[in-house]
Amino acid sequence: QITLKESGPTLVKPSQTLTLTCTFSGFSVTTSGEGVGWIRQPPGKALEWLALISWNDDKRYNPSLKKRLTITKDTYKDQVVLTLTNMDPVDTATYYCAHFRDGYDSPLDYWGQGTLVTVSS
Amino acid sequence: QSVLTQPPSVSAAPGQKVTISCAGSSFNIEHNYVSWYQQLPGTAPKLLIYDNNKRPSGIPDRFSGSKSGTSATLGITGLQTGDEADYYCGTWDSSLSAVVFGGGTKLTVL
Repeated sequence: QITLKESGPTLVKPSQTLTLTCTFSGFSVTTSGEGVGWIRQPPGKALEWLALISWNDDKRYNPSLKKRLTITKDTYKDQVVLTLTNMDPVDTATYYCAHFRDGYDSPLDYWGQGTLVTVSS
Repeated sequence: QSVLTQPPSVSAAPGQKVTISCAGSSFNIEHNYVSWYQQLPGTAPKLLIYDNNKRPSGIPDRFSGSKSGTSATLGITGLQTGDEADYYCGTWDSSLSAVVFGGGTKLTVL
């Protein structure tokens, strides 16, 4: 059974760097085809894809946020970490991590519960 | 402005059928698999349809997906009040090298 859970600060100040951790079980991000993505959703708004990392350490980023995003994986801890620099109030959102397998157009088949991050001074 | 275009809202009566469209381009929908996600109020999105028209285990056959050219469609038959949710289409965009989602469609079961 695949599960994922996001963790990190609930409140960050403008200009700070957000670091979120996705801790998962039921799969290994070193197994061929496996991967984890991050998606966010501002309150009352649509889903916005942020980044993904594949088993072979291939990384892809949302072009509009690429300069601010970094995604990494810790295979020993079964975790994927997302950092977003220079936080702004418009980055206030629920952040989700999700599992995918076998290709960039493969479905995000398991999702974490999400974590709400508020950006405010 | 989402890369994939969905109607903001649709509605129908219980027991009826509804379709939700998702319009894209040759860079995304036409040459890549489409997924659909259901997001019930206050919960995380849930995979509803993948590979254009396949249902994960546990998803009733009231839900169906199709694709033609640069557009995809989600169909829901035998509407229930529990189907009230936001629905999102998603796929890979080869030009952007990114996952893209539609803006979401709010389904109201009257």
